[in-house]
Amino acid sequence: AQSVTQLDSQVPVFEEAPVELRCNYSSSVSVYLFWYVQYPNQGLQLLLKYLSGSTLVESINGFEAEFNKSQTSFHLRKPSVHISDTAEYFCAVRGYISGGYNKLIFGAGTRLAVHP
Amino acid sequence: EAGVAQSPRYKIIEKRQSVAFWCNPISGHATLYWYQQILGQGPKLLIQFQNNGVVDDSQLPKDRFSAERLKGVDSTLKIQPAKLEDSAVYLCASSLEAGGGNEQFFGPGTRLTVL
Repeated sequence: AQSVTQLDSQVPVFEEAPVELRCNYSSSVSVYLFWYVQYPNQGLQLLLKYLSGSTLVESINGFEAEFNKSQTSFHLRKPSVHISDTAEYFCAVRGYISGGYNKLIFGAGTRLAVHP
Repeated sequence: EAGVAQSPRYKIIEKRQSVAFWCNPISGHATLYWYQQILGQGPKLLIQFQNNGVVDDSQLPKDRFSAERLKGVDSTLKIQPAKLEDSAVYLCASSLEAGGGNEQFFGPGTRLTVL
């Protein structure tokens, strides 16, 4: 069965520092990959997604993620974080099985805490 | 554009009681999902509807959980009777279609506490 591993449950970082949130998934013939963000007391919002094409995808607020098929990873990065980036980040994957794409499988989440 | 609406936002019940959650998806979205998010875990799909038909309910504990989407618009999720382990946030999401790359839009969730 498809699975997603987020290697860090919490990541503390100072404002304006770079950050990387790690995500690995179990191998599949073909996958769609997503990062969702959940701000306190809000629902999940799509941050970015990889469906096909360029392996580097970007969000409108400066995050980027790179699909690495050989390492089955989809790590999320930002070169300089802001206090407002404090949130929980979820990596999710849809793997292809016979007949179509499977359900969306989420990792356990990484809590990013940005300190002044 | 209005987002996915859910109610109530919070619910506290005792074990063996019943509870129902309501979800109104984004207008025009054919696909509706219910997820269970236990503290410290990612969301887990309970059931997926395409219009008013069930596409996937393989992880729904059918002995106590039920869900319906009678007119292909809003949906209710019911738990009867509730157990302590049902304490979680129940998230509703919708997407335009069921295709793999379609973005799912999530509601704020209902936090259920079972005592």
